Order: sequence, then C-alpha cells, then structure tokens
Amino acid sequence: GNSVTQMEGPVTLSEEAFLTINCTYTATGYPSLFWYVQYPGEGLQLLLKATKADDKGSNKGFEATYRKETTSFHLEKGSVQVSDSAVYFCALSDRVEAGTALIFGKGTTLSVSS
Amino acid sequence: GAGVSQSPSNKVTEKGKDVELRCDPISGHTALYWYRQRLGQGLEFLIYFQGNSAPDKSGLPSDRFSAERTGESVSTLTIQRTQQEDSAVYLCASSPNPTSFQETQYFGPGTRLLVL
Repeated sequence: GNSVTQMEGPVTLSEEAFLTINCTYTATGYPSLFWYVQYPGEGLQLLLKATKADDKGSNKGFEATYRKETTSFHLEKGSVQVSDSAVYFCALSDRVEAGTALIFGKGTTLSVSS
Repeated sequence: GAGVSQSPSNKVTEKGKDVELRCDPISGHTALYWYRQRLGQGLEFLIYFQGNSAPDKSGLPSDRFSAERTGESVSTLTIQRTQQEDSAVYLCASSPNPTSFQETQYFGPGTRLLVL
C-alpha cells in the first residue's frame, strides 16, 4: 500500500541554519503531497502542498519540490528561526472508498535555538 | 471564520469505560475525517464521512470503535470498553471536497485520551 517515510528526529539547529527534512513516498497513481506543521500547543495546519510532479510548494520561507523520479518531497528552508520549532509531518493523499484520506509520516521534531 | 473544534480537549478514563469524542467541522465542509496519533507514531486514518455516510471505515482498529455524523455537521467517535492501547490524541479534520486529491484538510486541536 501507499506509505510515507520521513527522517527521524529530533533535528536541532541554531537560528539562521539551513534546514532539510527528508521525505520519501510509495504510491500508485498520482497523489498530492503535503507538509503539515504542528506548533507547540496548537493543531495541525497545512504548511505547503504540491499536486503534480515538478511542482514546488512554498510558504513562510519553506519549500518542497514534488520529485516523481526519486519519489521524494524534501522540506527545505534557507534560514530557520526559533519560531519554526515544531513537529513537521509529510503526507500524501490516498484514495479511499468514494473519497480520499491522508497518509502521514511519523513526524520530525525541529528545535531551533537562538 | 471558525475552524474545526473538538471536545473534550483532554479525557482521562478507566479501562473498560466507554468514551465519546466530539468534532464540529468547518461549516459547509462535506468531508469529515478522524485520525489517531499515538505517542511516537504518525497519524493513522480511522474513518471518513461524506455527508452523513461513512463510505470508508477501513481504518477503525476494532469493533469497539464506531462513529456517526448527523446533519452533515457534528460527528461523534465512540470507543467502547476502552483499553490502555487506545490512549492517543484523536484528531478530526474536514474538507470541502472529499473526492479531490488536491484538497487541503483542516484539522482540529485534537482530544488527548488517556486510559488508565
């Protein structure tokens, strides 16, 4: 079945460092790919998404490119801030009966220090 | 506008008791989803509603789990005879269009369930 694998955390960085969180997927068909973020004490919220191969999703300085040839959707940010500390989840849309559901990776905790 | 809300935010119960978790989706959203997040794990899909019907119940872990939705709005997830392995955060999400792969799901803050 379809699945998502993302790098284990925690990831600990200093402010202004470069961030990469790896995400690879296994899927039949043509899913959309998502990054969701969960800030401390808050609910999951969409960070960015890409709906077809070679699309780049971007938001708040974060970027991820849908790479079909490598089945990857790595999250990157050039200069992280303390406020980026959160748990990041990679996900793909999957077909369920008469609809879709999301398949999530296990999440990667990012901790940024000043 | 209002987002997805869930209640209670926290629930502690004794093994063997029944619990009900509530979700209020964003108004007008046709699709409603329940997920479970156990400690150190990703989110597991439990069940999906399109309107008031549940075409896909494949993720429900056992027959102790059931869910319903009324008026294309509020949904209740019921866990009967709770077990310690049911301890998790239960997340609800809604989206406007249940059949689109591109659709964003909007999540509530979750209910943290602890079974003693």
